Amino acid sequence: KAGVTQTPRYLIKTRGQQVTLSCSPISGHRSVSWYQQTPGQGLQFLFEYFSETQRNKGNFPGRFSGRQFSNSRSEMNVSTLELGDSALYLCASSTGTGNYGYTFGSGTRLTVV
Amino acid sequence: GQSLEQPSEVTAVEGAIVQINCTYQTSGFYGLSWYQQHDGGAPTFLSYNALDGLEETGRFSSFLSRSDSYGYLLLQELQMKDSASYFCAFSGQNFVFGPGTRLSVLP
Repeated sequence: KAGVTQTPRYLIKTRGQQVTLSCSPISGHRSVSWYQQTPGQGLQFLFEYFSETQRNKGNFPGRFSGRQFSNSRSEMNVSTLELGDSALYLCASSTGTGNYGYTFGSGTRLTVV
Repeated sequence: GQSLEQPSEVTAVEGAIVQINCTYQTSGFYGLSWYQQHDGGAPTFLSYNALDGLEETGRFSSFLSRSDSYGYLLLQELQMKDSASYFCAFSGQNFVFGPGTRLSVLP
């Protein structure tokens, strides 16, 4: 079966702009989580969506938001981009029951200039 | 708060055995997972421990002691392809990753 698909793979944006990243989970998976990965901070949890509802949220400013659609696809939006938002953004999907065995996508590499 | 600690780097030679430790602090704990990430790649799931004890999956084993808030990943018969970063992660209120351990396998 198809894995977790993230688009786009690479993105370059200018400070102050906004960006939307997309994640299509494995078929049948209802939970989608988003992570930011940087060399200095490691993997930081952004938020988790389950059945179109945000179930958990990490410690990120309100500029970071997300949503999940009825087909479980999820989008993450970052507004008013800052240089420090440059990172690899990973999404992971799971069945949503039990908290292990997440499958990650290849990520979107965002560069803010 | 919620936190995990792992060594930042570990080096071993091909064919050896290496243990990567992970200690955690959290309230509300469901289990400890381990992920492997090669440079430029996505994290991939290795193992999960919900109960105390050892879980074995081929060359990899993972151990959990809930009373000690401690776990480890054991890699046997190391191969060059095992050079990667290894993350422990716990599931509780949120899914939290440790800082990662970079394993270098030398010939």
